[in-house]
Amino acid sequence: GAVVSQHPSWVICKSGTSVKIECRSLDFQATTMFWYRQFPKQSLMLMATSNEGSKATYEQGVEKDKFLINHASLTLSTLTVTSAHPEDSSFYICSARAERESNTQYFGPGTRLTVL
Amino acid sequence: DAKTTQPTSMDCAEGRAANLPCNHSTISGNEYVYWYRQIHSQGPQYIIHGLKNNETNEMASLIITEDRKSSTLILPHATLRDTAVYYCIVRVDMGAQKLVFGQGTRLTINP
Repeated sequence: GAVVSQHPSWVICKSGTSVKIECRSLDFQATTMFWYRQFPKQSLMLMATSNEGSKATYEQGVEKDKFLINHASLTLSTLTVTSAHPEDSSFYICSARAERESNTQYFGPGTRLTVL
Repeated sequence: DAKTTQPTSMDCAEGRAANLPCNHSTISGNEYVYWYRQIHSQGPQYIIHGLKNNETNEMASLIITEDRKSSTLILPHATLRDTAVYYCIVRVDMGAQKLVFGQGTRLTINP
């Protein structure tokens, strides 16, 4: 399989600050990456689709000005939570589409964000 | 993408085969069946996928019925580390790339 990493694995920040989360495909190139959010005891919810070299596509109800996505290279996508508030506390997970493996999506280990 | 139906929870004894069912009665001819699992506080892990033929890899086997309206994921010799939430997802391989996660099946392996 293919390996996807995320950094940081957890972060605690104060309300009103911005937090950047990195998602990297370590052994393959990914033109498309995805960002999910998961609240406790709930399933994963897709936030946005990140395409290398173009603007991200956001799911309905996700604020694009609050969750900034940048996919500047074929191995790196970043999610920046701007002006974070306690309700943004969640488990953020990225995935990358491996074209070499029938477009199977491989997931990162997740980033737990806690906003105080 | 077609909707799937899975039992909310299942239990299995360690060392036995775990059989996880999934119903996808509205699946289209070009939709694949994917299985992922999520161990607590980790990202989902890809297990296996198939179109119409049965598939097997080092982790599991996937049995798809002839009419493709249901499938079963088989973990042949379950261990305690297989305790996780298992998600069955159907998706067109090309074009729409999104994975839509349902609630999955919480599988508990008991010693």
